Amino acid sequence: DQQVKQNSPSLSVQEGRISILNCDYTNSMFDYFLWYKKYPAEGPTFLISISSIKDKNEDGRFTVFLNKSAKHLSLHIVPSQPGDSAVYFCAAIITGTASKLTFGTGTRLQVTL
Amino acid sequence: KAGVTQTPRYLIKTRGQQVTLSCSPISGHRSVSWYQQTPGQGLQFLFEYFSETQRNKGNFPGRFSGRQFSNSRSEMNVSTLELGDSALYLCASSGAIGTGELFFGEGSRLTVL
Repeated sequence: DQQVKQNSPSLSVQEGRISILNCDYTNSMFDYFLWYKKYPAEGPTFLISISSIKDKNEDGRFTVFLNKSAKHLSLHIVPSQPGDSAVYFCAAIITGTASKLTFGTGTRLQVTL
Repeated sequence: KAGVTQTPRYLIKTRGQQVTLSCSPISGHRSVSWYQQTPGQGLQFLFEYFSETQRNKGNFPGRFSGRQFSNSRSEMNVSTLELGDSALYLCASSGAIGTGELFFGEGSRLTVL
């Protein structure tokens, strides 16, 4: 049972344009959501997060939007840069339940020149 | 500040053997968690240790086990290896409990032949 889903395995965007990565979840107990970025041969690195009491969190070029009623979140990258090419994982957690993250299967973003 | 260190980085085993993977967390981090990454499955939670105690366990068979030492270093062991155990095993440490903001190592890539 995949509680966190990333239905797009890959996405290609031109440099300078907006990249939008989507994530859906099914467990209404999740109350904190994170995005991780992973380059080949490296471990995932934390990118940005959002609490369920918010609907938007922004950090530079990265913005995460949360729609609780739809159980949907998205990551916007504006403007996209070639260095953003990586696999992006959406993750969810029930705060207070240790560090047990439930991850999606990832979306490979390729930013082309 | 040194990052999370995992050893070995790559290893090849045959079915039926056992393997032990090691993880040294970031200095001062007392929480260590382990994840398995396979193609199409994303990252799946194995277990988490805090102060030498297992705090949470994922849905993996008993062949997967782990432990944490007093210096917060952790090991995970997989016994009676199966072909399906071939994966990237990622260790992560955290200084803040339950926030989901983890620092990952580069992983140990296990191939079972």
